[in-house]
Amino acid sequence: DQQVKQNSPSLSVQEGRISILNCDYTNSMFDYFLWYKKYPAEGPTFLISISSIKDKNEDGRFTVFLNKSAKHLSLHIVPSQPGDSAVYFCAASAGNNDMRFGAGTRLTVKP
Amino acid sequence: DTAVSQTPKYLVTQMGNDKSIKCEQNLGHDTMYWYKQDSKKFLKIMFSYNNKELIINETVPNRFSPKSPDKAHLNLHINSLELGDSAVYFCASRHTNTEAFFGQGTRLTVV
Repeated sequence: DQQVKQNSPSLSVQEGRISILNCDYTNSMFDYFLWYKKYPAEGPTFLISISSIKDKNEDGRFTVFLNKSAKHLSLHIVPSQPGDSAVYFCAASAGNNDMRFGAGTRLTVKP
Repeated sequence: DTAVSQTPKYLVTQMGNDKSIKCEQNLGHDTMYWYKQDSKKFLKIMFSYNNKELIINETVPNRFSPKSPDKAHLNLHINSLELGDSAVYFCASRHTNTEAFFGQGTRLTVV
């Protein structure tokens, strides 16, 4: 039972344009959401997070939007850079320290 | 000065053997995790420990036994290794409702 879903396995965008990565979840107990970036042969690295009491969090080129009623969050990267090419994982956490990940979306930013 | 370190990085072993993967964090976090990334690249939670106590055991075969001697360590022992155990195993740690920090991963290959 996959409680966190990333339905797009891959996304390709042109340098300078916006990248939008999507994530859906099913468990209404999740109250904290995170995005991670992963390069091959490395562990995931934290990118940005959002608490369920907010609907938007911004950090530089990265913005996460949360729609609780739709159980949906998205990560916007503007402008996209070739160095952003990686696999992006969405994660959701509940207060009992349960932290679940989606299947990941491979982002390719073309120069 | 690595925040979350796992050893070994690579592990090749024969079916039926018993092996251990070690994880240590120097961040003072209360919660530690083990995740398995299989060939489909899905990051699946295996165990979660909080203050040395098991919180989540996600239907993992009992050949897998986590051991937390103290808050800073969460080791993973695997008995009677099978071909299907081949994967990359990630350790992580965090405080509740903050970002998790991941180790570099241990690539286990069972032959």
